[in-house]
Amino acid sequence: EAGVTQFPSHSVIEKGQTVTLRCDPISGHDNLYWYRRVMGKEIKFLLHFVKESKQDESGMPNNRFLAERTGGTYSTLKVQPAELEDSGVYFCASSQVGGENRGYTFGSGTRLTVV
Amino acid sequence: AQSVTQPDIHITVSEGASLELRCNYSYGATPYLFWYVQSPGQGLQLLLKYFSGDTLVQGIKGFEAEFKRSQSSFNLRKPSVHWSDAAEYFCAVGAGTGFQKLVFGTGTRLLVSP
Repeated sequence: EAGVTQFPSHSVIEKGQTVTLRCDPISGHDNLYWYRRVMGKEIKFLLHFVKESKQDESGMPNNRFLAERTGGTYSTLKVQPAELEDSGVYFCASSQVGGENRGYTFGSGTRLTVV
Repeated sequence: AQSVTQPDIHITVSEGASLELRCNYSYGATPYLFWYVQSPGQGLQLLLKYFSGDTLVQGIKGFEAEFKRSQSSFNLRKPSVHWSDAAEYFCAVGAGTGFQKLVFGTGTRLLVSP
């Protein structure tokens, strides 16, 4: 089975610009999660979708971040406008409903650099 | 709130030597615990997990971890390290409703010397 796919793998943008990250979960996985790792810090939860609904968005840092999952398939995470502190690696993960406890499958991440 | 501490930022071991990576967690009830590994250019891969039962958990790639409730620890071990084990290792605890989200430690980078 194909894994969780994220693109782009790298993105370098200027402060104030907009960037959209995309995540394609494993087919059939209704749970989709976004995490972020800022340089040298721990990986932090951003939000959780079940199908197209936001189940938990308690980790979203501010309203410059917008996550969508139209149709319950792929998800996008838009940062607008980007700030320097948004730099980091953004991970997406997916799991089957009821499969969370077996551990998610993570993508390889998008490294975002805001200059 | 749940938290995870990985006290070692970097560890260097010789190839063939044994390895132990430390992880301490803070959680009120029985935790769901995980170890993930990230190799360069790769995503996070699940090594092993603990939910209940036997406190010694076997994982992939020859890794094991032992849950010790009295010490709030879930240390990762491997008896003989291979050069391909060089990577960053993350301990995590399941949190929130249904343990849907993971709280990670800051990671330990393992370097393997010849």
